[in-house]
Amino acid sequence: DTAVSQTPKYLVTQMGNDKSIKCEQNLGHDTMYWYKQDSKKFLKIMFSYNNKELIINETVPNRFSPKSPDKAHLNLHINSLELGDSAVYFCASSQRAGSPYEQYFGPGTRLTVT
Amino acid sequence: GNSVTQMEGPVTLSEEAFLTINCTYTATGYPSLFWYVQYPGEGLQLLLKATKADDKGSNKGFEATYRKETTSFHLEKGSVQVSDSAVYFCALRRNTGNQFYFGTGTSLTVIP
Repeated sequence: DTAVSQTPKYLVTQMGNDKSIKCEQNLGHDTMYWYKQDSKKFLKIMFSYNNKELIINETVPNRFSPKSPDKAHLNLHINSLELGDSAVYFCASSQRAGSPYEQYFGPGTRLTVT
Repeated sequence: GNSVTQMEGPVTLSEEAFLTINCTYTATGYPSLFWYVQYPGEGLQLLLKATKADDKGSNKGFEATYRKETTSFHLEKGSVQVSDSAVYFCALRRNTGNQFYFGTGTSLTVIP
């Protein structure tokens, strides 16, 4: 069974469009994250939710809006896509307190804006 | 503040060579430390971890020891294989809260 899953795996779209990426985890974790990885593999935290509450909101354009309908799901909606949004987006999850301490990552969504 | 610094790549080694990727950290308190590996086209996978000083994490022939006195968590492998070609990330998690801090990643290529 896949622990952290994301859909879609690839997303090609034009500038100005609105798109969503979905993430689900079946690990029973209470915290979920979105990261952006650029072409140089640098990993940047975007958002984090704990039990559906936003706890980390880094400097990200307002065009990006996360939504967590329940603690097993964290979706990312992007409005008015720009060329600079092209990247790989990773969802991750962890347990807020106690073992295990590590994050589990999804397979990534490669977003290409043309 | 909290941060992770790891050696810049890319690193290219011949098969069976010894690997060291340096990682140092800055953190308040006693963080947990991790190495993640990202194979081409995939997400990050946990390679090994250490949750307290002097702990040694190991997996798949890789090792790293949590050194509080030098604030380091260097990754080592005695004999690399072509299949170890990947990007390696050092990371820390503070002992309070659940924010993770990642290094910039080190790309490793192993040639036959």
